[in-house]
Amino acid sequence: GENVEQHPSTLSVQEGDSAVIKCTYSDSASNYFPWYKQELGKRPQLIIDIRSNVGEKKDQRIAVTLNKTAKHFSLHITETQPEDSAVYFCAASSDLRGSQGNLIFGKGTKLSVKP
Amino acid sequence: DAGVIQSPRHEVTEMGQEVTLRCKPISGHNSLFWYRQTMMRGLELLIYFNNNVPIDDSGMPEDRFSAKMPNASFSTLKIQPSEPRDSAVYFCASKKREGTGELFFGEGSRLTVL
Repeated sequence: GENVEQHPSTLSVQEGDSAVIKCTYSDSASNYFPWYKQELGKRPQLIIDIRSNVGEKKDQRIAVTLNKTAKHFSLHITETQPEDSAVYFCAASSDLRGSQGNLIFGKGTKLSVKP
Repeated sequence: DAGVIQSPRHEVTEMGQEVTLRCKPISGHNSLFWYRQTMMRGLELLIYFNNNVPIDDSGMPEDRFSAKMPNASFSTLKIQPSEPRDSAVYFCASKKREGTGELFFGEGSRLTVL
């Protein structure tokens, strides 16, 4: 089955700096790679996702890149703000059976943005 | 829509007791997932259902855990007997087959087994 590795487990940056979180996956059939943000005591929520037919996707201050050959994908947050502080999870899934494939998550990265 | 609804939000019980967690997915979603979250292991997929049918339960830790989905609007996760190592936050999530792939999580059920 799929295995997703995520690093670093913790990341501390100064407000305004950039943050990068990296993930690798094992199943070459995976073709959907979302990122979820979980604030303290709350539910995980989708912030951005990318499919394997795209190499990069950007949404304001966040961007994701995907390298299918190397089986890794990354989340980039620019101009970080204190409200970006949260745990971020990457995930991978295959929708070969339609969009009902299960999502396998990485172990999460706790991002702290210091004002 | 009210989103994915889970109950109870918090449960404290003693070792050996039966625990039942409940989930109501978003109307129209036909895939439902149960995840367990701990500091050590992150978000672990326990089981998921498509059209009320269990597809993959390989993540269920042991026979003490069972899950059912009797209809499209209700699912349960049962632990019997419970043990202290079962203490975790249990999330239910759902998504739509024809949708974007986004998984919608409930607020979670925080379980403490003493």
